[in-house]
Amino acid sequence: SAVISQKPSRDICQRGTSLTIQCQVDSQVTMMFWYRQQPGQSLTLIATANQGSEATYESGFVIDKFPISRPNLTFSTLTVSNMSPEDSSIYLCSVLGAPGWAGETQYFGPGTRLLVL
Amino acid sequence: AQKITQTQPGMFVQEKEAVTLDCTYDTSDPSYGLFWYKQPSSGEMIFLIYQGSYDQQNATEGRYSLNFQKARKSANLVISASQLGDSAMYFCAMREGPGGNKLVFGAGTILRVKS
Repeated sequence: SAVISQKPSRDICQRGTSLTIQCQVDSQVTMMFWYRQQPGQSLTLIATANQGSEATYESGFVIDKFPISRPNLTFSTLTVSNMSPEDSSIYLCSVLGAPGWAGETQYFGPGTRLLVL
Repeated sequence: AQKITQTQPGMFVQEKEAVTLDCTYDTSDPSYGLFWYKQPSSGEMIFLIYQGSYDQQNATEGRYSLNFQKARKSANLVISASQLGDSAMYFCAMREGPGGNKLVFGAGTILRVKS
């Protein structure tokens, strides 16, 4: 099965700065997603990363705050811009449609723990 | 409206015993999928089991089984022979529609296995 990695695994950032999180899959996948998990909360979908076009954002999330790229079928980035302490969360990428995987199931990367001071 | 409801914030189970984690869902779409994920303290999300709305039999994966009661809109996870390593947060999630890919998650249940 495919392996999903995220960088960085964790970071501590100052408010007002931006952080770019990378998600890499070792095989081509159909779809990639970005989720946020605030402390003590469940997961919320931020956006679907579309290969070669603009991401599709969920209600409450905007491109200026969370720009996303997906230049190919194995890689995506999420940037958290102009950070505030409220952005402290775990950010997870997930993938769907890897060869040999059950078509219905999203598999998640290990997550990026972000703390904003 | 809450799509996925997990009513048990926390559960305890004795090692080697079975435990059931509850999940109810709300959808008007006849085609949907239900998932359970495990999140240990490390933060990763581990896929456990999947049930499609048209599946005739309850899903099973090793020690995990899904008690799917469609009329009641419930999809409870049963873990048999609990192990200390099962201590984690467990999330129920749903995908709606034949082309839908978005997962909606419940609030989660923390499971603690006692030795």
